[in-house]
Amino acid sequence: SQQGEEDPQALSIQEGENATMNCSYKTSINNLQWYRQNSGRGLVHLILIRSNEREKHSGRLRVTLDTSKKSSSLLITASRAADTASYFCATDAHFGNEKLTFGTGTRLTIIP
Amino acid sequence: DVKVTQSSRYLVKRTGEKVFLECVQDMDHENMFWYRQDPGLGLRLIYFSYDVKMKEKGDIPEGYSVSREKKERFSLILESASTNQTSMYLCASRQTLAGAEETQYFGPGTRLLVL
Repeated sequence: SQQGEEDPQALSIQEGENATMNCSYKTSINNLQWYRQNSGRGLVHLILIRSNEREKHSGRLRVTLDTSKKSSSLLITASRAADTASYFCATDAHFGNEKLTFGTGTRLTIIP
Repeated sequence: DVKVTQSSRYLVKRTGEKVFLECVQDMDHENMFWYRQDPGLGLRLIYFSYDVKMKEKGDIPEGYSVSREKKERFSLILESASTNQTSMYLCASRQTLAGAEETQYFGPGTRLLVL
């Protein structure tokens, strides 16, 4: 079963706007990671947030984590056409067998 | 930079054929993973390996087997390909299993079509 569920499934915005994607999960986690996938390619790691952290920044990326609601959000500020991709959250379960479980992804399209 | 390579970007096979998908990583990672990716289902783990000759089933191991004879190489085998195995297959590697803070590095993927 999928641990992570991204919302929305698809998002289209104008270049320069901010894009926000959400992820919900079901069990306790050690950390949550966000990955990006360009069309037809492998996934690339973007950012990791630990279960005891609430917010993390990396360049134009901002990730928040609310463990009480079992949810995370990824904000991309000042979007660019090159940000067009699918974005996945992945959770590392606290009492699981420590493999990452991926969500179904959000397809982001930046309109030039 | 970590590099994970997969033997083919595209493969076309016939039902019943034996299919080998190869994955090689160059960073001496202990852990390697095979996923399949299907629209609307995200990435699902097929098998993973935490050491040479060691393997564990993931969420959807049926119809697949794996081989890890050398640390850098992890092979996915479809003993008798079926049309429902048409998918994108992604290999990944990771430095540690416990500790749970290490990034997974992905290969470019193999798009398999079974006719």
